[in-house]
Amino acid sequence: AQSVSQHNHHVILSEAASLELGCNYSYGGTVNLFWYVQYPGQHLQLLLKYFSGDPLVKGIKGFEAEFIKSKFSFNLRKPSVQWSDTAEYFCAVTSHSSASKIIFGSGTRLSIRP
Amino acid sequence: SAVISQKPSRDICQRGTSLTIQCQVDSQVTMMFWYRQQPGQSLTLIATANQGSEATYESGFVIDKFPISRPNLTFSTLTVSNMSPEDSSIYLCSVEDPPGSYEQYFGPGTRLTVT
Repeated sequence: AQSVSQHNHHVILSEAASLELGCNYSYGGTVNLFWYVQYPGQHLQLLLKYFSGDPLVKGIKGFEAEFIKSKFSFNLRKPSVQWSDTAEYFCAVTSHSSASKIIFGSGTRLSIRP
Repeated sequence: SAVISQKPSRDICQRGTSLTIQCQVDSQVTMMFWYRQQPGQSLTLIATANQGSEATYESGFVIDKFPISRPNLTFSTLTVSNMSPEDSSIYLCSVEDPPGSYEQYFGPGTRLTVT
């Protein structure tokens, strides 16, 4: 069965620090990969996605993620975080054979100290 | 992207009662989904609701407990039946937009507490 692992449950950083949130998935076939973000009091929003092509994908608000197939990973990065990046971040995966069924990771809470 | 609203935003219900959650989309969509997010956990898909057909339930979820309606392309309801405290969760609906994109957009959620 597909699964998604986010090993960091809570990350605390100071403003301007660099960010990397880990995401590993387990599935042997072709996958679509996503990062969603939920800011305090707001809807879950799509941050970025990978379907095919360049494994380095850029999303909104300066975020990017790199798909490394050999490591089954899709880590989220941002070179310099801001206080407004405080949110919960969810990695998610769908398979090409069941593309509408999203499997979510457990989420990482990111807290930014001003 | 589609704009999704849910009603109610939150409710406190007694054990043994039922609650119906409404999901309204501002555009016509083919696929709608219902998720549950239990306290401290991630989102789990309950079922997929396509207009004109029976909802498809994921393992561990059954129609008698979570009946779903999908009367048209912009609206769906999820009922949580015969509630127990274990049903306390946030319930979210989402839609795939545009169709075939595999991108899902989520509603604000309904926070349910069962006492």
